[in-house]
Amino acid sequence: EIVLTQSPGTLSLSPGERATLSCRASQRVSDDYVAWYQQKPGQAPRLVMYGASSRAVGIPDRFSGGGSGTDFSLTISGLEPEDFAVYFCQQYGRSPWTFGQGTKVEI
Amino acid sequence: EVQLLQSGAQVKKPGESLKISCQGSGYTFRDYWIGWVRQMPGKGLEWMGILYPGDFDTKYSPSFEGHVTISADRSINTAFLEWSSLKASDSAIYYCVISGWGAYFDYWGQGTLITVSS
Repeated sequence: EIVLTQSPGTLSLSPGERATLSCRASQRVSDDYVAWYQQKPGQAPRLVMYGASSRAVGIPDRFSGGGSGTDFSLTISGLEPEDFAVYFCQQYGRSPWTFGQGTKVEI
Repeated sequence: EVQLLQSGAQVKKPGESLKISCQGSGYTFRDYWIGWVRQMPGKGLEWMGILYPGDFDTKYSPSFEGHVTISADRSINTAFLEWSSLKASDSAIYYCVISGWGAYFDYWGQGTLITVSS
């Protein structure tokens, strides 16, 4: 199965700053089939990005995704207070679908 | 508005059976894959499997195949996750998810906490 490694484990930033989260795959992810989810404490995850760079419904344009092959990223330009959360990447290029271990974005 | 309403928290003993549910509303149930994702305490996410209500095609992660059963009842827009013999290591939050593609997860239920302890 494809193993996803996210870095850093924790990102300590202030509101207004830019966050760049990394997700590296152990094998090439076909068709850049990578999604990102946001999870806040006590809540279910929420889809943020799919297809590496397509924003999900209702996600503001300060969120952007990129990358291809084995290296993918999620960037949040101008952090808002509601953006502080844990972010997980997921690959769906090859079954079984797998997730990274998460990056916590904290104040 | 799409909603996935999951059944409530359960406390069970090792070896017991369990079936939890997820009722979908606000969309055409048979047109979206519906599946389950596990989150162990303080840990990451694990895809367990997914079912297409249109034809009941079901796919499992090898890590969970044979240990759980995913099913659905189209008449009540509900999917199920079932164990025949629980282990302590099954203690986790289980999220119901739907997907238009069967691959990434557009919507998530609120989660069902399962505690397995003697």
